[in-house]
Amino acid sequence: GQQLNQSPQSMFIQEGEDVSMNCTSSSIFNTWLWYKQEPGEGPVLLIALYKAGELTSNGRLTAQFGITRKDSFLNISASIPSDVGIYFCAGFMNTGFQKLVFGTGTRLLVSP
Amino acid sequence: AAGVIQSPRHLIKEKRETATLKCYPIPRHDTVYWYQQGPGQDPQFLISFYEKMQSDKGSIPDRFSAQQFSDYHSELNMSSLELGDSALYFCASSLYGFTYEQYFGPGTRLTVT
Repeated sequence: GQQLNQSPQSMFIQEGEDVSMNCTSSSIFNTWLWYKQEPGEGPVLLIALYKAGELTSNGRLTAQFGITRKDSFLNISASIPSDVGIYFCAGFMNTGFQKLVFGTGTRLLVSP
Repeated sequence: AAGVIQSPRHLIKEKRETATLKCYPIPRHDTVYWYQQGPGQDPQFLISFYEKMQSDKGSIPDRFSAQQFSDYHSELNMSSLELGDSALYFCASSLYGFTYEQYFGPGTRLTVT
């Protein structure tokens, strides 16, 4: 069953705004990944986080691995229309490291 | 940079037919994973292979089987197809032991009629 809850489910923002989304779980995860998926395409890896408390940036994207290891957030600064897509968090648990568990996804819409 | 290649990109089959999906991982990646994504759903892990051996198994139906070959490419075989098997099927690859970062292919859209 689903173990990662993402919020918000969807966001509709204006170009130039900053965006924040988060992912929470009742279980501890060793690794957090953030992916972006566009319609009909495969998820594209944006950021990988390996240590509790770690803060990592990739251009306008910043993600953090929560101290409790049960949450993570992703920020997008100065959004642009091509940021449109579904953003998924994903994590590896303490056991079964090859089994990537995906969050429920956040759909982002950006109006020019 | 080379990415994961999947073929075919689209496949239409009838109920009870069989289908074979192929995945070619990123060069030097030795681990492949298969995921199924239904409409509006997140990807669900099916099965993974490392060095031609099954390494982990998720919610893969018994009607499905998969293998990894010596050149690291993988095939997902699906038999007795059902309407509910209609979905996007993704393959991902990674480098075992060095990274948990899985890189996804563009997917195969399977439609069962």
